[in-house]
Amino acid sequence: GAGVSQSPSNKVTEKGKDVELRCDPISGHTALYWYRQSLGQGLEFLIYFQGNSAPDKSGLPSDRFSAERTGGSVSTLTIQRTQQEDSAVYLCASRPGSEETQYFGPGTRLLVL
Amino acid sequence: AQSVAQPEDQVNVAEGNPLTVKCTYSVSGNPYLFWYVQYPNRGLQFLLKYITGDNLVKGSYGFEAEFNKSQTSFHLKKPSALVSDSALYFCAVRDPDTGRRALTFGSGTRLQVQP
Repeated sequence: GAGVSQSPSNKVTEKGKDVELRCDPISGHTALYWYRQSLGQGLEFLIYFQGNSAPDKSGLPSDRFSAERTGGSVSTLTIQRTQQEDSAVYLCASRPGSEETQYFGPGTRLLVL
Repeated sequence: AQSVAQPEDQVNVAEGNPLTVKCTYSVSGNPYLFWYVQYPNRGLQFLLKYITGDNLVKGSYGFEAEFNKSQTSFHLKKPSALVSDSALYFCAVRDPDTGRRALTFGSGTRLQVQP
């Protein structure tokens, strides 16, 4: 079946611009996560959505980062006023509500010049 | 807070030989442990997990992992390595917060299998 999809696969932007990254989870998965993979920090949790509940934003590194999930499905991660240190691979994962395994998308590689 | 250590940045093994990728963890409560593999320019692929039960867990592509509670370890193993196993491997432990269940990852170990 279809896995987690993310778009775009690559994004190059200039410092100070805003970017939006999209995640389409596996159909029926109620839990959705964003992680960031960077050379300096490894893989780190950013934000968690469960159904229609308020998201857990405890991993967001600054208030320039925000995310939303519409209709309990598609999620968008927005980074405002991008900085060079935001350059990383942003990974989305989804999980069925009753299970432990998270399934990851291919990621969006962000480069801030 | 929970943590995962992967002490080897890289493991080199000859094709056909057994391989081990090491992982130790620290978490309060019962550990929920995972292994993922990442191929170049790809996302993470789930290999296996330990939740409860047998200490030897079998997963995808012939991989298995042994949970050792006393040593707080969860080493990944395979009896006979293939060149195609060359990739980046991540060990992870689940957040003890049963609501969020986010994963904390190790730094990754690059496995290089030589023909």
